[in-house]
Amino acid sequence: DTAVSQTPKYLVTQMGNDKSIKCEQNLGHDTMYWYKQDSKKFLKIMFSYNNKELIINETVPNRFSPKSPDKAHLNLHINSLELGDSAVYFCASSRGLLNYEQYFGPGTRLTVT
Amino acid sequence: GENVEQHPSTLSVQEGDSAVIKCTYSDSASNYFPWYKQELGKRPQLIIDIRSNVGEKKDQRIAVTLNKTAKHFSLHITETQPEDSAVYFCAANRNEKLTFGTGTRLTIIP
Repeated sequence: DTAVSQTPKYLVTQMGNDKSIKCEQNLGHDTMYWYKQDSKKFLKIMFSYNNKELIINETVPNRFSPKSPDKAHLNLHINSLELGDSAVYFCASSRGLLNYEQYFGPGTRLTVT
Repeated sequence: GENVEQHPSTLSVQEGDSAVIKCTYSDSASNYFPWYKQELGKRPQLIIDIRSNVGEKKDQRIAVTLNKTAKHFSLHITETQPEDSAVYFCAANRNEKLTFGTGTRLTIIP
């Protein structure tokens, strides 16, 4: 059973395109996140949602727009892709906002050419 | 906001020896400190965590210590094995946000 899943696993696209990454969790968690891991392995939070409500929106360009249709899903849409967007994007979920283990998805490696 | 520093960035130890990774945090209000392990090409996974009301926690070969006064916490791995080779991240939680350290690449030499 996959706890947190993401699609696609790999995404190769050209500058200027728009793309989406989907995330689903079957753990019954209330909170979901998007993280970006760059080539130096730095893990940085982008967004968090709790019960479909946006809680954290780090200083992310507004080309990035998360959407949570329900508690089990958190998608990430990226407009006008740039070279600097190339990274691995991880979705994660946790029982709640405070001090709970975060379960990560397998990651989506985005390459912008 | 919170700032988490992690040292060393790389660490090589002989199999069977101990490894220690240290982190410092800036915000004294942080109250939850997890450690994640990320194997090559895989997702980060929690290996141990500690809350601010506890000074030490141990789980088999892994232990974490927390010094709230000095605002630092450490991961200790004893009797290291080849499967311990990975990148380890510390993190600190403040205001519903987890801030990660920059990671330590641990290599176990057989």
